[in-house]
Amino acid sequence: DTAVSQTPKYLVTQMGNDKSIKCEQNLGHDTMYWYKQDSKKFLKIMFSYNNKELIINETVPNRFSPKSPDKAHLNLHINSLELGDSAVYFCASSPFSGRGHEQFFGPGTRLTVL
Amino acid sequence: DAKTTQPTSMDCAEGRAANLPCNHSTISGNEYVYWYRQIHSQGPQYIIHGLKNNETNEMASLIITEDRKSSTLILPHATLRDTAVYYCIVRPIQGAQKLVFGQGTRLTINP
Repeated sequence: DTAVSQTPKYLVTQMGNDKSIKCEQNLGHDTMYWYKQDSKKFLKIMFSYNNKELIINETVPNRFSPKSPDKAHLNLHINSLELGDSAVYFCASSPFSGRGHEQFFGPGTRLTVL
Repeated sequence: DAKTTQPTSMDCAEGRAANLPCNHSTISGNEYVYWYRQIHSQGPQYIIHGLKNNETNEMASLIITEDRKSSTLILPHATLRDTAVYYCIVRPIQGAQKLVFGQGTRLTINP
């Protein structure tokens, strides 16, 4: 069984479009994250939610809006897509915020903006 | 910014021990050392973490110096599937649990 799953795996779209990436974890974890890995392979945190509450919001444009309908899901909606949004987006989850627990990562969603 | 420095790349022969160093000279007493790896096109994978003592699990061993300013990840019998980018990360015990990734070490296991 997949622990952290993301859909879609690949997403190709035009500039200016709005798109969403979905993430689900079946590990019963309280905390979920979105990371972005750019073309230079640097991985950076974007957001984190704990029990549906936003706890980390790095310097990310307002066009990016995370939504957590329940603690097993954290979706990422992106408005007005730009070329620079092309990257691989990873979702992750961990059992408890505030403690030193490992994070489990999903397989990633490769977003290409044309 | 990442609080760790690692060599950009390393090579190791299959079946030998791979020793990956990491410097974290500004680490504080309430920060862990974590290691993750990313195999090509996959999500990062947790390997091991430690605070002060050396740690061992089924994947690797972590050796932390007494002053905690550096550490070494040891893969005892490297296989071709261990080829990956290895990230050493310093992370607070409490507080927001974001992982700050540096450039990592690209480890290549050669047959």
